[in-house]
Amino acid sequence: DVKVTQSSRYLVKRTGEKVFLECVQDMDHENMFWYRQDPGLGLRLIYFSYDVKMKEKGDIPEGYSVSREKKERFSLILESASTNQTSMYLCASRRRGAEYYGYTFGSGTRLTVV
Amino acid sequence: SQQGEEDPQALSIQEGENATMNCSYKTSINNLQWYRQNSGRGLVHLILIRSNEREKHSGRLRVTLDTSKKSSSLLITASRAADTASYFCATEVSGGSNYKLTFGKGTLLTVNP
Repeated sequence: DVKVTQSSRYLVKRTGEKVFLECVQDMDHENMFWYRQDPGLGLRLIYFSYDVKMKEKGDIPEGYSVSREKKERFSLILESASTNQTSMYLCASRRRGAEYYGYTFGSGTRLTVV
Repeated sequence: SQQGEEDPQALSIQEGENATMNCSYKTSINNLQWYRQNSGRGLVHLILIRSNEREKHSGRLRVTLDTSKKSSSLLITASRAADTASYFCATEVSGGSNYKLTFGKGTLLTVNP
């Protein structure tokens, strides 16, 4: 089975800190995604990447950046954390060309910014 | 931007009953997917139906798709307490060689023992 691993389940950071959320997948998938999930708003796409060093903005990229230096790893960066970035962050991946297969999600990182 | 909208927002049933959740969307799609999320965890892919399919089954799950009405339904038969979770529909559209998956806000299903 494909595994998507997010490095932290829970994270508490201070306002203004630079925060890195890490995601690693073990099945050589080209496509990787970062979503955030908030009550009443569902999941919203922040950024995605369809290959190493490639990235595309999703629906809510403001305040975030990403890094994809290796195929298996996709990092989400909060340049200067703010309280409105307190949320559940979910990483997902899928093989390119597998458009009739579902995404594989990690277990999520619940980030609290204080 | 939200593409799919689930209905109802919450559903409570007894074990053994069937649960039906609906999803409506706005634009043409490549496929529609249903996911389950147990409290505080990641999402698990349940089933995918392509835009040229009308019905699909997987175990106790049955999904229908009506592209003329831009709607889908997920039926869980003979529900169990372990089915208690949030269920999300997600629509996928193509953008060149890339695909974008957009989620609804989910239906919270509670199955009472």
